[in-house]
Amino acid sequence: GQQLNQSPQSMFIQEGEDVSMNCTSSSIFNTWLWYKQDPGEGPVLLIALYKAGELTSNGRLTAQFGITRKDSFLNISASIPSDVGIYFCAGQLEGSARQLTFGSGTQLTVLP
Amino acid sequence: EPEVTQTPSHQVTQMGQEVILRCVPISNHLYFYWYRQILGQKVEFLVSFYNNEISEKSEIFDDQFSVERPDGSNFTLKIRSTKLEDSAMYFCASNRLGQPQHFGDGTRLSIL
Repeated sequence: GQQLNQSPQSMFIQEGEDVSMNCTSSSIFNTWLWYKQDPGEGPVLLIALYKAGELTSNGRLTAQFGITRKDSFLNISASIPSDVGIYFCAGQLEGSARQLTFGSGTQLTVLP
Repeated sequence: EPEVTQTPSHQVTQMGQEVILRCVPISNHLYFYWYRQILGQKVEFLVSFYNNEISEKSEIFDDQFSVERPDGSNFTLKIRSTKLEDSAMYFCASNRLGQPQHFGDGTRLSIL
């Protein structure tokens, strides 16, 4: 099956700093999604990307769908304490009811 | 905002017993999914369901697993004879065609 390599595995940053994380795959995906998971909760959708090269923002978050369709990155600007959590990328092949393939996650810690 | 709801939040079961995890997808969604997340690991796809049929399933979803939409609102995952390695968080998700999947907060399944 498809595999996603997500990096970094963890990050410790100062409040106010920008942060970047990315996912790469050997497979082509038609959709890239970024989710955030807080302890004891399910993944919450942050950004969905549907076209190669697409750059989409959601507040302080910006994500891009790579031109090769095999990668995506997520940037968070001016981090705040509530950004703490685990960020997952997920790729999806074309078609309805298609499974999401998740990356292994990036654990983000924001230091005051 | 509509949510995917899952019950129970925590289920403790003896090994070998049957367990049923319940989900109420978002009301106008037609595609339903189950995923699991072993502690500290990434989210893994189990099964997708549309029009009262399984659309896709992973290698994890063996003969011990089954899904059902018993009425117009519920979507269930049954594990027939639980094993220790079935201990995990189980997430239900749903979506409409062309829209991203939205996740519930999960059921923590603990097998003793």
